[in-house]
Amino acid sequence: DTAVSQTPKYLVTQMGNDKSIKCEQNLGHDTMYWYKQDSKKFLKIMFSYNNKELIINETVPNRFSPKSPDKAHLNLHINSLELGDSAVYFCASSQGQLAQFFGPGTRLTVL
Amino acid sequence: QQPVQSPQAVILREGEDAVINCSSSKALYSVHWYRQKHGEAPVFLMILLKGGEQKGHEKISASFNEKKQQSSLYLTASQLSYSGTYFCGTENTDKIIFGKGTRLHILP
Repeated sequence: DTAVSQTPKYLVTQMGNDKSIKCEQNLGHDTMYWYKQDSKKFLKIMFSYNNKELIINETVPNRFSPKSPDKAHLNLHINSLELGDSAVYFCASSQGQLAQFFGPGTRLTVL
Repeated sequence: QQPVQSPQAVILREGEDAVINCSSSKALYSVHWYRQKHGEAPVFLMILLKGGEQKGHEKISASFNEKKQQSSLYLTASQLSYSGTYFCGTENTDKIIFGKGTRLHILP
């Protein structure tokens, strides 16, 4: 039933570790996104994929690497986690530039 | 360029009306509006496309003035369920740039 799902919902880890967040959408959309929402609630786009191709790559440290195995999945791998990476990460999907549907978010806490 | 939203925060009593504004220094092709409740994901409300149209969603409607490069969201006879942070987003080369949000708190 779920439209856009993410796992895990919570992630608590130590500085320097590597972690991944997974996202899946069953809406048949062709575009998927990763957003970062910081403590001030600012929602900033990180990456966007259209039919498995990277189309947006904002100024994000290259410790962040997205991967889209197919158009229904978009994963985010983060290497060498830093304190500043603590945030809520949202996955979203859309058909073209129409409405974006967001996943429930992954709250990442780096200690 | 990030759109500017005003006001930053609003406190209303149930039944009162509110207007949230969103303006951009760049030409606008479309404006998206989303609402995010505390601890939840943003939820799509509506898109307004070039043409100055007004759209509605229950008692929430919006207008888009492309000449003035701004959009306004109107919440009529607000309900407790309207509480949350409202974000406008403007389209910029294949991506949406979101404003900083307007926090709306409805009191019973």
